[in-house]
Amino acid sequence: NAGVTQTPKFRVLKTGQSMTLLCAQDMNHEYMYWYRQDPGMGLRLIHYSVGEGTTAKGEVPDGYNVSRLKKQNFLLGLESAAPSQTSVYFCASRPLKDRVLLDTQYFGPGTRLTVL
Amino acid sequence: GNSVTQMEGPVTLSEEAFLTINCTYTATGYPSLFWYVQYPGEGLQLLLKATKADDKGSNKGFEATYRKETTSFHLEKGSVQVSDSAVYFCALSMYSSASKIIFGSGTRLSIRP
Repeated sequence: NAGVTQTPKFRVLKTGQSMTLLCAQDMNHEYMYWYRQDPGMGLRLIHYSVGEGTTAKGEVPDGYNVSRLKKQNFLLGLESAAPSQTSVYFCASRPLKDRVLLDTQYFGPGTRLTVL
Repeated sequence: GNSVTQMEGPVTLSEEAFLTINCTYTATGYPSLFWYVQYPGEGLQLLLKATKADDKGSNKGFEATYRKETTSFHLEKGSVQVSDSAVYFCALSMYSSASKIIFGSGTRLSIRP
């Protein structure tokens, strides 16, 4: 199993450009998450999904959109990138087992995004 | 609201030294508590967890005890190695929450040979 993978690993954008980050998991997990990690601030939740076709806002959703068209994929979009979105982005997934949401999340390796 | 506070880094120790990284939490209810570790260039990995008061989580020589009376979950290791150099995150999760694992700001640990 590959676990949670993220594409791309690195990206540099100019202000106003758009891009999509892809997260894929092969563990059949129901729940998926997008976080951003900034120095001294830990991880902050951007958006999450509790299943295919559903998404919800997290702590810092502004400037981002997400889609979960397939259970294994969770896409994070930036429509008009801003320098404040320079960060490292992590995707995570979380399993349901016997209808119980387990509390451990599994993380991807991250995408380092720089917006100039 | 729920929150996690952990000691600021960086923390620099010599190999074989004793490690403590402090973590305290604020939560309405009874959270599960975690320590995640992030090695350079990688994502976060679960290091250990505890789901109820007085539980002790342990893994790779690290330990942390869920202390409800002091709302703490301090991470300890008796003898650190260079390979333990990483960023450590304390975190909590509420059982009823679909989304939230709340992370502390992270503590960078560097071990000198």
